[in-house]
Amino acid sequence: DAGVTQSPTHLIKTRGQQVTLRCSPKSGHDTVSWYQQALGQGPQFIFQYYEEEERQRGNFPDRFSGHQFPNYSSELNVNALLLGDSALYLCASSLPSSYNEQFFGPGTRLTVL
Amino acid sequence: AQSVTQLGSHVSVSEGALVLLRCNYSSSVPPYLFWYVQYPNQGLQLLLKYTSAATLVKGINGFEAEFKKSETSFHLTKPSAHMSDAAEYFCAVSTSNTGKLIFGQGTTLQVKP
Repeated sequence: DAGVTQSPTHLIKTRGQQVTLRCSPKSGHDTVSWYQQALGQGPQFIFQYYEEEERQRGNFPDRFSGHQFPNYSSELNVNALLLGDSALYLCASSLPSSYNEQFFGPGTRLTVL
Repeated sequence: AQSVTQLGSHVSVSEGALVLLRCNYSSSVPPYLFWYVQYPNQGLQLLLKYTSAATLVKGINGFEAEFKKSETSFHLTKPSAHMSDAAEYFCAVSTSNTGKLIFGQGTTLQVKP
């Protein structure tokens, strides 16, 4: 049973560019959450998708957007990249309840130059 | 608003010694509490969770945590540290019905031989 997978593993972009990160949830999970983890910090919630809609959003600008597909996989898009967007981006999947375990993927390391 | 404070960004113990990682939370409603571990260049793995059942929660790898409402704490302990326990540990709280996790800043555990 595959866990949460993310692609790519690493990515280097320059300021002003756009990036798309991808996530496939654990089998049987229908909820996907995205987190940003800056170096030396705890993960910060970006948003969550359920039934192909954004259900919750953290304190991130509109440059951060997402999508969920019918097979529950998800994309995170970031436009107009800033140096401060450099971070590890984590995807987590779960069943739609707060007390259920969120399974995290290995993350995508984004470096913005 | 909910928040998590992890006391001590870096904890160092000797192999075989007691591990104690501190976490205090702030929440206006009964929380769900989690401890996650992150090894270098990996995603997060759930160690244990508190979901309003028993206040003493046992997790994987010999870790346990006790929920103390009066102290708003959820400290993580392990009786005897192993070298393999060296990692970053994150405490997290969730209070909504949708599983949004709010993480602390993390504590780096160093285990000395």
